[in-house]
Amino acid sequence: ETGVTQTPRHLVMGMTNKKSLKCEQHLGHNAMYWYKQSAKKPLELMFVYNFKEQTENNSVPSRFSPECPNSSHLFLHLHTLQPEDSALYLCASSQGQGTAYGYTFGSGTRLTVV
Amino acid sequence: AQSVTQLDSHVSVSEGTPVLLRCNYSSSYSPSLFWYVQHPNKGLQLLLKYTSAATLVKGINGFEAEFKKSETSFHLTKPSAHMSDAAEYFCVVSDLKDSWGKLQFGAGTQVVVTP
Repeated sequence: ETGVTQTPRHLVMGMTNKKSLKCEQHLGHNAMYWYKQSAKKPLELMFVYNFKEQTENNSVPSRFSPECPNSSHLFLHLHTLQPEDSALYLCASSQGQGTAYGYTFGSGTRLTVV
Repeated sequence: AQSVTQLDSHVSVSEGTPVLLRCNYSSSYSPSLFWYVQHPNKGLQLLLKYTSAATLVKGINGFEAEFKKSETSFHLTKPSAHMSDAAEYFCVVSDLKDSWGKLQFGAGTQVVVTP
């Protein structure tokens, strides 16, 4: 375990469903991130939160809705998704500002939209 | 602006032979550079990082990388491949100017290790 826990590990949902992905870290990190990893494509940054405040929305469609109630928890709420949204969704955290520490990643949620 | 290019999408090596994964970057400022590894159905694990200290960086599992500013490269090497090294490897760059720590990922290099 890396210290960043994502649930569920796998999720299959229909296009009309509503579901949520959860990410939790107890590393004392202040910044949390959602990434999307699709086959044959580089990782795509979706959202950045720093001290619970959203600092970046990387042009993500509104059918993805993030929530960060505190510095340890991050959610990604999903509704009316499309089949092309099927991917591995990775959560990461980092210690404070700056890049010296890199990120700690969770194991991801494998999402399949049918 | 920053970007990273991994020069090989696939690398195949025999167990016990050296591994070389090539990475070139561009950065407007002083970069931080990282290598991550992703095993099947797993998240990304940090192998090593360069943050303007020693140019030769040693990481976990016997990997190391050398920062060469003149060549804008950060190649990853390991003297002797092990079967457990089969995975996907990502070279990552971030400008120190970027205070929120956003990372730019390469497209990845898939490593296959044959007995």
